[in-house]
Amino acid sequence: QAVVTQEPSVTVSPGGTVTLTCGSSTGAVTSSHSPYWLQQKPGQAPRTLTYDTSNRYSWTPARFSGSLLGGKAALTLSGAQPEDEADYYCYVTYSGVGAVFGGGTKLTVL
Amino acid sequence: EGQLVESGGGLVQPGGSLRLSCAASGVTFSGLWMTWVRQAPGKGLEWVANINQDGSAKYYVDSVKGRFTISRDNAKNSLFLRLNSLRAEDTAVYYCSGGQFSLWGQGTLVTVSS
Repeated sequence: QAVVTQEPSVTVSPGGTVTLTCGSSTGAVTSSHSPYWLQQKPGQAPRTLTYDTSNRYSWTPARFSGSLLGGKAALTLSGAQPEDEADYYCYVTYSGVGAVFGGGTKLTVL
Repeated sequence: EGQLVESGGGLVQPGGSLRLSCAASGVTFSGLWMTWVRQAPGKGLEWVANINQDGSAKYYVDSVKGRFTISRDNAKNSLFLRLNSLRAEDTAVYYCSGGQFSLWGQGTLVTVSS
């Protein structure tokens, strides 16, 4: 099955902007892969932030936005808050085969 | 508001079996694509299996094919995962999720150890 790659760790300053990316070993990530972005804090179940590339759920703060960027899925956080410190996972679907999570990015707000 | 509650986890010996359940409430369960996701201690999320709304399509990660079986009972608003031939590397918290990951359970811990 495919391998989905993410940055292992990223640091952003409070109020700053950061972009996390998600690549696929099979080639460019496109809208047909319906990429998702999820946030997980220690001891908690994951919470989904975006689906189908760029759609937010009602609980997703507007400072999070999903997109496609340079052949990868991307999650941009604009105006980072201390409470955004968490692990972030992308999820990519492969039609007729299944799906894969990326290895996760540990985001530090410092 | 919708809720998912997993159950059925526990300690099992290598080679043993378990059946995990996920009970849905407050949602139209029969309209949801459902997924099992697991997380080994200190590790990342791993997609395990998907099932479509009527149970006619099922997909599995390679490492569980032939050992795990996903199923659902729409009349009982329930999702299941049968785990056979368990290995130490199957030790994880197992989460059920549905509705394009809009809903998540709290997880149930499966520990495979002698």
